[in-house]
Order: sequence, then C-alpha cells, then structure tokens
Amino acid sequence: GAGVSQSPSNKVTEKGKDVELRCDPISGHTALYWYRQSLGQGLEFLIYFQGNSAPDKSGLPSDRFSAERTGGSVSTLTIQRTQQEDSAVYLCASSWDRLEKDTQYFGPGTRLTVL
Amino acid sequence: DQQVKQNSPSLSVQEGRISILNCDYTNSMFDYFLWYKKYPAEGPTFLISISSIKDKNEDGRFTVFLNKSAKHLSLHIVPSQPGDSAVYFCAAITGGTSGTYKYIFGTGTRLKVLA
Repeated sequence: GAGVSQSPSNKVTEKGKDVELRCDPISGHTALYWYRQSLGQGLEFLIYFQGNSAPDKSGLPSDRFSAERTGGSVSTLTIQRTQQEDSAVYLCASSWDRLEKDTQYFGPGTRLTVL
Repeated sequence: DQQVKQNSPSLSVQEGRISILNCDYTNSMFDYFLWYKKYPAEGPTFLISISSIKDKNEDGRFTVFLNKSAKHLSLHIVPSQPGDSAVYFCAAITGGTSGTYKYIFGTGTRLKVLA
C-alpha cells in the first residue's frame, strides 16, 4: 500500500516569503506528526494531530508556524515570513493511534532552503 | 536540553563485523525506546523497539540492549552488511498528558559499513 507522501520534495524560497508543505498520511492512520531536522540536529517535534482532537502544538518554535489537518487526512504545515533558520528537512509521520506506543511511518521529507 | 543523546555522530565498521550504536537518555520516565534507520532522501523507517520492562530484544541481525540503571541503550548489528549503511536514530517515548505519548529523538549516528 501507499506510504506517507510529502510535497514538494524540495523548496527554495526567499527570506520573508510564506511556504506551505503538504503531507498525505497512510490511509486510516488517525495520528499525524510533523518534525523538522536541522543540520546536525535530531528530529525536532513540531505538532501532532490525533483524530478530531485539538492538535498538540507544543513543539512549534514560533507563531510563524501553523498546521492544519483537513478531514482527518491531509495536513499542511505553513511557515509565514520565513527566516534562514527555518531551513531544514521537514518530516511528516503517521501512525494508527498515538494513545498506543505505536510505530510511526515517515514520509520522505521536504527540504526547505531559505535564502 | 537534549534528553536523548547519541554521542557518536559517525561510525565505520568492516563488513561482517559487529556494529554497536549507542544512545543515552536523561529522563527515567521514558519507558519505551525505538531505533529508526534513515537512508538519504528517505524518511526514517522503524527498525526495532524495546520496552523498559525488558533488557534485550532481538530481531534477526539486530539486537537492542537496555540498561535502565545507566540510562543507556545500544543497537547491535551482526554481521554488518554494506546495505546497513545509513543514519540510525534512537527515540524514546514518554507519557504525556491525557494519556498521549511524545517521541523524543536523538541526533543520529551515521553508520558506514565498508565492503
């Protein structure tokens, strides 16, 4: 079956511009996570969605970052007024249910470069 | 404040020999640990996990050892194969509020298996 997909695979933008990153989770997975990996760093948790519950936004680094998940499926991560420090690989993952210690399935990531 | 640490950014091992990847954590409340493998331009994929009630879990060539008193876990790959060359992430799960869980990832160790 299809895995987690993300688009675009690469995004180059100018400082100050807004960007949208898309994630299509595995069909049926109710939990969806966004992470980012900056150069030389681990996977930094950003935001998590579980079904119809309010998202856990505790990892978002600033109010320039926001995410939506429409219809419990596709998610969009939006970064407004991008800064150079936002350059990273943004990874999306999904799993059946975050209430269990479940394996996360990752997408290939979007490499964001802010010039 | 890095709660999950992988102090070796890289490791080179000869094909056929044992690879040992190490991970240290600081939070004694972590009760489930996972290892993920990541190839370039791909998302991390789940490799093996261990619950804190165990000290060893084995799956084929991969074995994870957990030393709770030392807050240390390790991944052993034997025999190592060139296809094992990848970045390995250690992750810990901690119980969050409302019964949900949060994943904390290390910074990764790049393993290179030499033919």
